[in-house]
Order: sequence, then C-alpha cells, then structure tokens
Amino acid sequence: AQSVAQPEDQVNVAEGNPLTVKCTYSVSGNPYLFWYVQYPNRGLQFLLKYITGDNLVKGSYGFEAEFNKSQTSFHLKKPSALVSDSALYFCAVLPTGGATNKLIFGTGTLLAVQP
Amino acid sequence: KAGVTQTPRYLIKTRGQQVTLSCSPISGHRSVSWYQQTPGQGLQFLFEYFSETQRNKGNFPGRFSGRQFSNSRSEMNVSTLELGDSALYLCATRSAEGQGYHEQYFGPGTRLTVT
Repeated sequence: AQSVAQPEDQVNVAEGNPLTVKCTYSVSGNPYLFWYVQYPNRGLQFLLKYITGDNLVKGSYGFEAEFNKSQTSFHLKKPSALVSDSALYFCAVLPTGGATNKLIFGTGTLLAVQP
Repeated sequence: KAGVTQTPRYLIKTRGQQVTLSCSPISGHRSVSWYQQTPGQGLQFLFEYFSETQRNKGNFPGRFSGRQFSNSRSEMNVSTLELGDSALYLCATRSAEGQGYHEQYFGPGTRLTVT
C-alpha cells in the first residue's frame, strides 16, 4: 500500500537553531512531493514541492527540502528556526507523477520552537 | 486574489441528520478536492471534482457525496451522520494548467461536530 511516514510526532528546537522534519514515502513510480503547514484552527498552507530537477528545493518562509530518491525521503529543513514556525507540518505525496490529485498525507509532525 | 472560502466554519449536528458544506475556489481554479481531517485517521482524501465531474474518489461510504457547479463552487453532503463523522473538512482547489497545476490551496475548513 502507498504510504507516507513522518516518524516524529513532535520536534523540539531552540530558536535560532537549525530544524529538520523527516518524511519518507512508499509510493511506486516518480511521485510528486509536498510540504504543508497547518496553524491552529486553520487550513493547510503550501510550503514547497518537488516535481523534478534539483534535489534541494526552496520554499516559503525560508524553508527548504531535500529529496533523496534512493532513500525515498523528503526531509524539511530550515537553517534558523523562529518561534513563529511552531505549527503542525504535513508531508504529502501525489502518486503516479501527478496524474491524479489524490494526495496521500503523513500523520503530521508538531514543531515546537522554544524562545 | 481571494483565497479558498468554506462555509460554514463551524457546525453542530445530531446523529442521523444530514449536512451540506460549501467550498468556493480561488478564481480560475477548476479543480476542487475534499479532505477529512481527524485526530485518529489524519488527513484522508474524499473526492475531487473538475468541470462538474467527479474525477477521483477516496475510500468513504456512500453517505459522503459531492457535486460541483458550473462556477466551480463545490458542495459536499454527508447523510445519516454518525459520531465518527466529527472532523475538520478541508477543501482544496488548484489551477487546471500552468505552473500551479499540482499545487493545491486549502481553505480554512469546516469543523463539524456530531452529537
């Protein structure tokens, strides 16, 4: 079965430190990969996507993600965390190269940035 | 551009009743997808509509249905509500062409509580 794993329910980091939120996937073919962020009582906001090309993709609010095909991973990173980055982060995969719009989401990782 | 709007934002219903939720996409977006978000199951795809036709469907019972109008606005309906239908229902829309094709924009959601 196709799936997305976010192994950490919560990631704690001090403000100013680098952060990584992990994501691995089990999807055949060449899926499209996404990161979304959700703030309390809000919908999901798009952060970045990987379709093809350079393995390091840059997105909104200083976030970037590294695609690793051999490890089927798409980890979210930021060089210097802000308290305002505290939110719920979702990794998502679009199978079959985007032929459908049926996103498969991970379970989410709560990022807590301490001042 | 105005974002994706969903109405109502909050809803309380009783078991056995039915409910209709509405989603207005970003101007020019012809694809509308619906997702259910619960603490236990996470984010799950319900269905996608494009040009008034259902293109994809998730693994939900027939009590969940939807439709799309000629102006791309979409509604989803849940009949014979069960307690387990309590969730945040998210609508996501996307452009049908160009660079934004695979990038979905989410609304703030409708919080449905079934008592």
